[in-house]
Amino acid sequence: EVQLLESGGSLVQPGGSLRLSCAASGFKFTDHAMTWVRQAPGKGLEWVSGISDSGRSPYYADFAKGRFTISRDNSKNTLFLQMNSLRVEDTAVYYCAKDFVGTGLEYWGQGTLVTVSS
Amino acid sequence: IQLTQSPSSLSASVGDRVTITCRAGQSVDRYLNWYQQKPGKAPKLLISTTSSLQSGASSRFSGSGSGTEFTLTISSLQPEDFAVYYCQQSYSTSITFGQGTRLDIK
Repeated sequence: EVQLLESGGSLVQPGGSLRLSCAASGFKFTDHAMTWVRQAPGKGLEWVSGISDSGRSPYYADFAKGRFTISRDNSKNTLFLQMNSLRVEDTAVYYCAKDFVGTGLEYWGQGTLVTVSS
Repeated sequence: IQLTQSPSSLSASVGDRVTITCRAGQSVDRYLNWYQQKPGKAPKLLISTTSSLQSGASSRFSGSGSGTEFTLTISSLQPEDFAVYYCQQSYSTSITFGQGTRLDIK
């Protein structure tokens, strides 16, 4: 059974940093690209970042470029999202999902809430 | 690639046939997916690459289209179908979602 378990969300002040993790199981992690998607309260889905199966090719939404860094540890089946210079508008539930381009996102985690507020 | 869904909201009754449209700002070939989301839950993939029904999704759902215009059809609405629906393109490495269509009970 495929499982994705996010963690690391919390309350952080504007300008602060946070690192999200997504522990994957139930599939061969090294064979799949991965994606982060977020959803602000009461709003729609917004793609944040994606990364190739090897980890060598990261991709970012414009709002994430220069502030967020996606990475993965294939030895630990874990995906990460390092978020710096956080803004109030980054407040959202952050989901990790299996796969990236060329296919739908069939498996999602339960999400982790990031709240940016003073 | 911008995706525009219509309508943004829709009220319908159990048993109705419903169609949601997703228009892309440029061709996404057939790399268009549909999701259902219920309150407090992660999105659920219903249809991938325009028309491939996901395992576990009801056959009431079907998708069609190509290029820049796509549709999701629900053949006969059931109570569990009332939710928010999103289209998403996986054609480019900058994937995008439509703004969502809220389907409410009339």
